[in-house]
Amino acid sequence: DAGVTQSPTHLIKTRGQQVTLRCSPKSGHDTVSWYQQALGQGPQFIFQYYEEEERQRGNFPDRFSGHQFPNYSSELNVNALLLGDSALYLCASSLVPSGGGTDTQYFGPGTRLTVL
Amino acid sequence: AQKITQTQPGMFVQEKEAVTLDCTYDTSDQSYGLFWYKQPSSGEMIFLIYQGSYDEQNATEGRYSLNFQKARKSANLVISASQLGDSAMYFCAMREGSNYGGSQGNLIFGKGTKLSVKP
Repeated sequence: DAGVTQSPTHLIKTRGQQVTLRCSPKSGHDTVSWYQQALGQGPQFIFQYYEEEERQRGNFPDRFSGHQFPNYSSELNVNALLLGDSALYLCASSLVPSGGGTDTQYFGPGTRLTVL
Repeated sequence: AQKITQTQPGMFVQEKEAVTLDCTYDTSDQSYGLFWYKQPSSGEMIFLIYQGSYDEQNATEGRYSLNFQKARKSANLVISASQLGDSAMYFCAMREGSNYGGSQGNLIFGKGTKLSVKP
């Protein structure tokens, strides 16, 4: 059973460029969340996708956008990159249990983005 | 506003001993969930244990247990019989029990505790 996968693992961009990060959820999961983790900090929630729609959004500017595809995979796009966007970007997938209970989020290995 | 506080930036423990990592939280919701994740240097966040606010018993998962004190708003992680492979960052996280059309909402993370296990 494959876990959450992300690509690429590392990425180097320059200020002003645009970047797309990709995530494939754990088998059977239908919800994808994206987090940004700056060095020495805990992850910060960017947004969450469910049924191909953005369901929740954290305190991030519109430069951050995303998409979820019919197969539940997801992309995170960041436009007009800033130096401060350098971080580890984590994708997490989950599934709300039909019988109730919590939908634990399982994380991928992350994409480390460096903006020069 | 929701908040997670982890007051221990770093902790040392001798191999085979037990260690407690502290976590306090702040929320006005009655329904919420508390999670602990482990993050090795590779970067992946590994789910360890979950405690729901209405759960009457403390959660346990193998060598991990969660010391849940609701009145004090604390959810400390206890790792028994520490192993060298337990050396990592540990994050406490909380989610309020909102339902966003199928999803149960995002996680709020603390700043983490770096655990180092000494041989």
